[in-house]
Amino acid sequence: AQTVTQSQPEMSVQEAETVTLSCTYDTSESDYYLFWYKQPPSRQMILVIRQEAYKQQNATENRFSVNFQKAAKSFSLKISDSQLGDAAMYFCAYRSANSGYALNFGKGTSLLVTP
Amino acid sequence: GAGVSQSPSNKVTEKGKDVELRCDPISGHTALYWYRQRLGQGLEFLIYFQGNSAPDKSGLPSDRFSAERTGESVSTLTIQRTQQEDSAVYLCASSRRTGTGDYEQYFGPGTRLTVT
Repeated sequence: AQTVTQSQPEMSVQEAETVTLSCTYDTSESDYYLFWYKQPPSRQMILVIRQEAYKQQNATENRFSVNFQKAAKSFSLKISDSQLGDAAMYFCAYRSANSGYALNFGKGTSLLVTP
Repeated sequence: GAGVSQSPSNKVTEKGKDVELRCDPISGHTALYWYRQRLGQGLEFLIYFQGNSAPDKSGLPSDRFSAERTGESVSTLTIQRTQQEDSAVYLCASSRRTGTGDYEQYFGPGTRLTVT
């Protein structure tokens, strides 16, 4: 089974600064998808960004970008120009492209944004 | 359009009672998923429905857990003889096939279950 590890239980960043959240995963598959989800106190899981493993180019969505290192099995999320509304739990998730449709989640990183 | 909705938002029940949790997926979404999120943890997959195919029940933790879905509509997750370890947030998600062939999952707000 694939495992997803988020080694930072909590992170803090000042407004307008940049922060990077770490994620590593373990898999023997070559074809898969990786995701970052945001979960604010409302509990609603919101997709932030996704990456297909076959794509070498790192995904970018406005202020959010990833550093996908396939050989190292690393998938970090960079948030630029942090805003107070970015404060939330962030979950890294893995999904196989070939077997099953369930998302495998890490335990999450709580991001605090200070003024 | 409306997103995924779940009811109730919160449920408190006594140990040993049965509970039913409801999920209304986004209209037109053929796939539906249930996940469980224990306090301070990530989400654990429970069960997956795709259209009229047999569901993938591989994540259900015990035979006290069951789920139903009629066609591509509402789903109910039932927990019988609840235990304190069942206390968690239960999240539902739905998806449709995207152009790349990937199922992007949209989540509901969850039901917080507390077993006393």
